[in-house]
Amino acid sequence: QVQLVQSGAEVKKPGASVKVSCKASGYTFTSYGISWVRQAPGQGLEWMGWISAYNGNTNYAQKLQGRVTMTTDTSTSTAYMELRSLRSDDTAVYYCARDPAYGDVSGYFDYWGQGTLVTVSS
Amino acid sequence: EIVMTQSPATLSVSPGERATLSCRASQSVSSNLAWYQQKPGQAPRLLIYGASTRATGIPARFSGSGSGTEFTLTISSLQSEDFAVYYCQQYNNWPPGGTFGQGTRLEIK
Repeated sequence: QVQLVQSGAEVKKPGASVKVSCKASGYTFTSYGISWVRQAPGQGLEWMGWISAYNGNTNYAQKLQGRVTMTTDTSTSTAYMELRSLRSDDTAVYYCARDPAYGDVSGYFDYWGQGTLVTVSS
Repeated sequence: EIVMTQSPATLSVSPGERATLSCRASQSVSSNLAWYQQKPGQAPRLLIYGASTRATGIPARFSGSGSGTEFTLTISSLQSEDFAVYYCQQYNNWPPGGTFGQGTRLEIK
């Protein structure tokens, strides 16, 4: 069965960086893209960006351009999301989610990781 | 950017009754609309994609309809496990990634 397992909670100071991992299993990792979606406490869902696990192509939300980098390690079927220059309003649960389009992009998400809480506080 | 507006913000319904949730797009998204269910402390779960296609394993009591700018999620006979927050998401304009509505909280009446 498809599973996305994320790394544990993080506490960071303003200005620091965080890197969250998302290990995939139960499917051919390189055949599907991964998006990252975040959810601030008590708030809705915000798409952050997408990476092709096949060739590493990325597309980031405009508001995060320059602060976010998404990568993959195909040898371990793991996706990573790094966010730099953290601010208090980056405090959120960060989810990885699989795009169900085989070798393409659909834009919606069929499997989600369990979420990683990132807290930014001085 | 396409703005998705869900209504109502909160819906109170008794178990066994029908629930109807609405989602409106600020411009046409064709049928590129998904619905997700989220319970407290859990990740969202895909219910519907393509406006009306149920995802794998989703019970038949969940149905989606609409196209263009107006969409509806109907739960025909509410079960206790259905009380949650529901989000719609358009994915017609990619990139950027799809935008979500603000959610409808479905609570027990």
